[in-house]
Amino acid sequence: KAGVTQTPRYLIKTRGQQVTLSCSPISGHRSVSWYQQTPGQGLQFLFEYFSETQRNKGNFPGRFSGRQFSNSRSEMNVSTLELGDSALYLCASSLSRDKSYEQYFGPGTRLTVT
Amino acid sequence: AQSVAQPEDQVNVAEGNPLTVKCTYSVSGNPYLFWYVQYPNRGLQFLLKYITGDNLVKGSYGFEAEFNKSQTSFHLKKPSALVSDSALYFCAVRDRNSGAGSYQLTFGKGTKLSVIP
Repeated sequence: KAGVTQTPRYLIKTRGQQVTLSCSPISGHRSVSWYQQTPGQGLQFLFEYFSETQRNKGNFPGRFSGRQFSNSRSEMNVSTLELGDSALYLCASSLSRDKSYEQYFGPGTRLTVT
Repeated sequence: AQSVAQPEDQVNVAEGNPLTVKCTYSVSGNPYLFWYVQYPNRGLQFLLKYITGDNLVKGSYGFEAEFNKSQTSFHLKKPSALVSDSALYFCAVRDRNSGAGSYQLTFGKGTKLSVIP
């Protein structure tokens, strides 16, 4: 089975712009979560989608949003980019919402805001 | 609220020696516990998890972890370290109880493991 794929792998944007990141989960996986990874804050949960519905949201401003499509693919959007949004954005998929199930991570999208 | 502490930012070990990466957790109920590894410019790879049952969990690449409920710990171990084990290791927890925020995986800050040839 193919793993979790994320596109693009690298992005450079300017402050004030917006960006959309894409994630394709492992085939058959219906739960998709997004995380932000920075050297200072570590891994922080952004949100989780299941059956095209946002089920959980982390402590991030409304500039961060996402959605999930009927084929379980997910996108996240960041509007009005700030320098502090520079980070590795990781997508993870899981077979179900059962808490005992592990998540499988994609390689990430490295976003640099200048 | 759930939380994870990895008290060591970096662990150095000689190749062939046993290694331990420490993790302690805090949840209101009982935990599901996970270990992940991250190599440079890569996403996280799942190593092992504790759900219930035997306190010693075996995972990928010869790694194992011991769940200790009284000490609220879940230390990662390997009997003989390889240079290729050098990477960033993350411990993560979920609270079995329902409640706000209990579904999300909460990660520790990570421990950088360096295995010296």
